[in-house]
Amino acid sequence: ILNVEQSPQSLHVQEGDSTNFTCSFPSSNFYALHWYRWETAKSPEALFVMTLNGDEKKKGRISATLNTKEGYSYLYIKGSQPEDSATYLCAFESGGSYIPTFGRGTSLIVHP
Amino acid sequence: GAGVSQSPRYKVAKRGQDVALRCDPISGHVSLFWYQQALGQGPEFLTYFQNEAQLDKSGLPSDRFFAERPEGSVSTLKIQRTQQEDSAVYLCASSSPAGQETQYFGPGTRLLVL
Repeated sequence: ILNVEQSPQSLHVQEGDSTNFTCSFPSSNFYALHWYRWETAKSPEALFVMTLNGDEKKKGRISATLNTKEGYSYLYIKGSQPEDSATYLCAFESGGSYIPTFGRGTSLIVHP
Repeated sequence: GAGVSQSPRYKVAKRGQDVALRCDPISGHVSLFWYQQALGQGPEFLTYFQNEAQLDKSGLPSDRFFAERPEGSVSTLKIQRTQQEDSAVYLCASSSPAGQETQYFGPGTRLLVL
């Protein structure tokens, strides 16, 4: 059983604050790391697929970094907006397995 | 739209009832996954199809769970004799092909077993 952990479990911030959260995964046999955003009553939406150590990806105000040697990825949101309120899931793929292992997610609430 | 759709969106079942959950993947997507998300948990893998072939069903929690994708497109997840512990959100995702590829998710079916 692969251990994928996300922290914090939940986060409340004010509009305009910048925030970040963590996904920890096994540091061996890395293949890919996915980030998803899941808004209530909608489908989880893919944000990033990260495959190389040191990868940095950016989409608007959201960015992510990857450290496969130590087994973590950070997701950053700059200038949070209420529409950023969602659960952010990471999913780890190990080499030789096509089955991603998901973390429990970080629930972000941005207050206006 | 052309995304993944699931039906029904909500299902209330009495304990012991059989239920069938449907997933319409994105047209042309070879890979199809089913996940179960219990309250407070992340999505957990149930089963994987490549076209019509069920290549992995190691995540199905019991023999009451059965999935099929007979023509390599629409998939159905069937749960027989539902139990309260089956209450969860059932997510379907498709991709082409599996492995480092982004999975496109449906909105899920929220199942409540009373």
